[in-house]
Order: sequence, then C-alpha cells, then structure tokens
Amino acid sequence: ETGVTQSPTHLIKTRGQQVTLRCSSQSGHNTVSWYQQALGQGPQFIFQYYREEENGRGNFPPRFSGLQFPNYSSELNVNALELDDSALYLCASSLSGWMNEQFFGPGTRLTVL
Amino acid sequence: AQSVTQPDIHITVSEGASLELRCNYSYGATPYLFWYVQSPGQGLQLLLKYFSGDTLVQGIKGFEAEFKRSQSSFNLRKPSVHWSDAAEYFCAVESMYSGGGADGLTFGKGTHLIIQP
Repeated sequence: ETGVTQSPTHLIKTRGQQVTLRCSSQSGHNTVSWYQQALGQGPQFIFQYYREEENGRGNFPPRFSGLQFPNYSSELNVNALELDDSALYLCASSLSGWMNEQFFGPGTRLTVL
Repeated sequence: AQSVTQPDIHITVSEGASLELRCNYSYGATPYLFWYVQSPGQGLQLLLKYFSGDTLVQGIKGFEAEFKRSQSSFNLRKPSVHWSDAAEYFCAVESMYSGGGADGLTFGKGTHLIIQP
C-alpha cells in the first residue's frame, strides 16, 4: 500500500511568483485536504477536495486554489506569493465523510524570498 | 468555531519518566479529538482518536489519552518515555460536517517534547 506522497520536497520562490504543489493520495482514498504549517505553529486547514470539487475551505484568500484529478491526486496552486506564504504545506488523503482518518504526506517546504 | 489550546510550548522529560501533555478544546457539540506526532522532516502520524465511548483511549507507541468533558480536556499520557519519543505533538479537533462541507482539522500550536538521557 503506497502512502501519501508530495512533490517537490523543497521549493524556493520569490515574492509575486506562482507555485504549484502536488500530492498523490493513498491507494483507495478519494478525498484530499491541504494544510499550511507555518514555523512553530500547528497546521491550518486550507481546503478539501472530493470528486474533483472543493468540499470545504478554511480562512485562506482566493489566490490559494486547488485541483483534484480523476485518479484523486491533487494540486495546490498559490498565486502572487507573499513572504508569509513561507511554510510547510501538508497534504492528507482519506475516505470521504466525517470521522475518516486523514493520512498525511511528508509535506513540501516552500520558502518565499 | 472550534479551537484547541496546548498550554505547554516545550516540555522536558527524563527518559523512563512519565509524560502528560495537556490539551484543551472549545467546541459546541461532541468533539472528535485527535493526537498527532510530527518528527523532524516527517508528516503527521496519528497516535489516537476519540469520538465516543470509553473516555480512556489507547493509541500506538504506548500512548493513551483521557477525554474529560467537564474540563474540556483531552490530555495525552505515556507511563515511560523513550528517547525516540522526542518530537512535536499536536492535539486536534474535527467538527461534524456543516452544510458548507468539511471544516478540516483544527490543530493546537503543538508541544515540543525533549527527552533528557
């Protein structure tokens, strides 16, 4: 059974640029959630995707957007990068519905200069 | 909206000693509570979870947690820590899906556990 994988591992961008982060779900999982973890903080929920549609969103601006593909993999896109976007971005996959365990990937470390 | 408070930013424990990490939550209904562990360079690993039933929950790696509704607490415990337990520990709550869809997990800021030899 393959776990959740994310790419790239690390990324450096400059302010104003755009970035795409990728996530492959654990086998059999149809739901993907994305979290942002700033240094020294707990993860914060960005959004969740189910059946290729956004299924819930946290308190993040529209420049944070996502996609989910028919194979349940997912992308997180961030436009107009700001310095405060520097963080560890975590992807989690699960079965749909409440009370299903979310399995986390190792994360992508984004640095914005 | 729900919230989670982990009052201790850092905790230092001697190897072999007992451990208790504190977690307080704020949530209107019955919460779905979790403890996760994060080692450097790793993602989050679920230690245990609670929704209903027995208020003392057993997890992996010898951890347990007790849900106390009257105190809005879900403290994590381990009778004897090992050097490999050094990591960041996060308490989290998940709310039941509202009409607007998932709200995701709400995490505390974490407790950094240091193990002294």
